[in-house]
This record gives sequence, structure tokens and C-alpha cells, in this order.
Amino acid sequence: DTEVTQTPKHLVMGMTNKKSLKCEQHMGHRAMYWYKQKAKKPPELMFVYSYEKLSINESVPSRFSPECPNSSLLNLHLHALQPEDSALYLCASSQVTPRTGGPLHFGNGTRLTVT
Amino acid sequence: SQQGEEDPQALSIQEGENATMNCSYKTSINNLQWYRQNSGRGLVHLILIRSNEREKHSGRLRVTLDTSKKSSSLLITASRAADTASYFCATGRDDKIIFGKGTRLHILP
Repeated sequence: DTEVTQTPKHLVMGMTNKKSLKCEQHMGHRAMYWYKQKAKKPPELMFVYSYEKLSINESVPSRFSPECPNSSLLNLHLHALQPEDSALYLCASSQVTPRTGGPLHFGNGTRLTVT
Repeated sequence: SQQGEEDPQALSIQEGENATMNCSYKTSINNLQWYRQNSGRGLVHLILIRSNEREKHSGRLRVTLDTSKKSSSLLITASRAADTASYFCATGRDDKIIFGKGTRLHILP
């Protein structure tokens, strides 16, 4: 079990659907992250939020839209995805910002399939 | 973008033996971390070493960092079946933490 909770665990969506992934942590961490991981590949950084502000967008297509409503919550809104977007989406948090350097705490991910 | 390259890509050893994995990176870093991932699950942080440190220990883990060679190694001593997993190095620079390609470790009974 992890202290970062991601919902749903699995999601199947069509290319015209709109869905959202949710991530929650109650450890008081000030930085939160979205990573995308394809099978047998490393996690790829998508977005970083520091103190609820978007600090990094790794040139992610606009069909992925992050949102940080408060310091405990991180959402990833999905719209008009492509089959190649199917992957494990991982959320992580850290007590300090990446610039300061500290361990990431990961959720178990949402397995997304785009049909 | 990827920063680290792990070596080897896959490693199979007998239970009780030591496992060594290496990571090389390209740019300057603030810190380097190692993570473990069991199949289809989230990553678990193992150890963090800062750029001004050379070696760090945690239980059966030993990590070294050579900033002049831009490389790090992770040693797992007295391996156990439960150590079977993928291991990733991750480099921290500015506001990014970037993962390397990983080593798949298989401990044989």
C-alpha cells in the first residue's frame, strides 16, 4: 500500500471520451508529478507542480490537461486521446521541490487503455 | 527525455549472490536516486545520494556516485527472491527528476 492514492486503477476510454485521473496525498508534500510509463520502459516525466503551481510541462500534447486544485490533489484531464496514449499513468509526490531534491512517493498508477 | 542509462538491461543471479547495477548520465545533477518497481505497480524509493557524496549505505544496499565519470552503481548484497524487480536510477536537476532505462533483476532460487 502507498500513501499516494490514484483512482481509478483501470480505465478504458474511447478516442472521443473525456475522462479524468485523480491523485491524492495527505503527507503535506509540496510537489506533485505526473509520469507516463509504457510497458518495459522507464517512467517519462509529464508535469511537475510545486506549491500548486505548474513548474514543468515536458511538451505534453494539449489533450492531456493537468490541474492542481489544492496541495493534496492532482488531476489529469484527458480528451481526444489516441491509442498510443495507452499506458500506466503514475502520480508521485515529494516533501520538497525537485530543485531541493528528495525522494518521490509513487501511487500504484492508473492503467489506461484507449480504444 | 531520458538522462540515465542502466547497465545491464537484464540480470539473473542465484539467491544469495550480490547484484550490481550501473547507471550513467549525461549532464550535471543535484542528486541521484534509485527506485525499485515490481511488475505493474508504482515505484518505491530505495536511496538518494547527493552530488557532493561518494557513497551511501542502507541495509543491504550500497550506492556509489562518481560525478567525474557521471556514473553511479547500486549493489544489493545477499540477494533474495523478493529482490526480483526492475531497478531505475533517476537524476535530479533543477525541477526535473528523470528516470533511466532500468535493469530487470531476476533472482533464481
